[in-house]
Amino acid sequence: GQNIDQPTEMTATEGAIVQINCTYQTSGFNGLFWYQQHAGEAPTFLSYNVLDGLEEKGRFSSFLSRSKGYSYLLLKELQMKDSASYLCAVRDQAGANNLFFGTGTRLTVIP
Amino acid sequence: ETGVTQTPRHLVMGMTNKKSLKCEQHLGHNAMYWYKQSAKKPLELMFVYNFKEQTENNSVPSRFSPECPNSSHLFLHLHTLQPEDSALYLCASSPWGAGGLVGTQETQYFGPGTRLLVL
Repeated sequence: GQNIDQPTEMTATEGAIVQINCTYQTSGFNGLFWYQQHAGEAPTFLSYNVLDGLEEKGRFSSFLSRSKGYSYLLLKELQMKDSASYLCAVRDQAGANNLFFGTGTRLTVIP
Repeated sequence: ETGVTQTPRHLVMGMTNKKSLKCEQHLGHNAMYWYKQSAKKPLELMFVYNFKEQTENNSVPSRFSPECPNSSHLFLHLHTLQPEDSALYLCASSPWGAGGLVGTQETQYFGPGTRLLVL
């Protein structure tokens, strides 16, 4: 089966930097996605990695190491509105678009 | 504004009721998905439709019955549910066949969900 692991909860201070890790063991790999989900709302797409390395989008960056089955999402200059759950998802094959999700990491940003 | 809408947003039903959830996407996608999201569990894929044809049924009990009349609309018909079926039900859409040797960024776009409570 597919296995996606990430920490359940994290707390960080406004203005700081936080790193949310995700490890995966899947039968195949065709991309890793990070989503943000505020309470009671839809998950929204944040970032995508398919090759090793760092992808930067403003305050958010995502890193991938395929050989280690590992990714992280880095959030800089944290704001209170960044308090949300962050979901790691893996697409396991080309030719289809099925995603396998982790449980999500609930991030709380404190003043 | 995600381009995927779901109705109703909240639903309370008894175990003997029959109800339906509706999803509509305005993104021109050809694949649609139903997920179940329970507290402290990963998003669970329930059903996948590609060009109106069901391509995945992830061992979902028969009390959940999907229907996809066209690529823009998806329904989930509910009957004789159990209290443990209480959850957030999310619909998503995407382009199909997203990758080749190297994947594309085309991802799934989610609706706001229906919060279901079964009494």
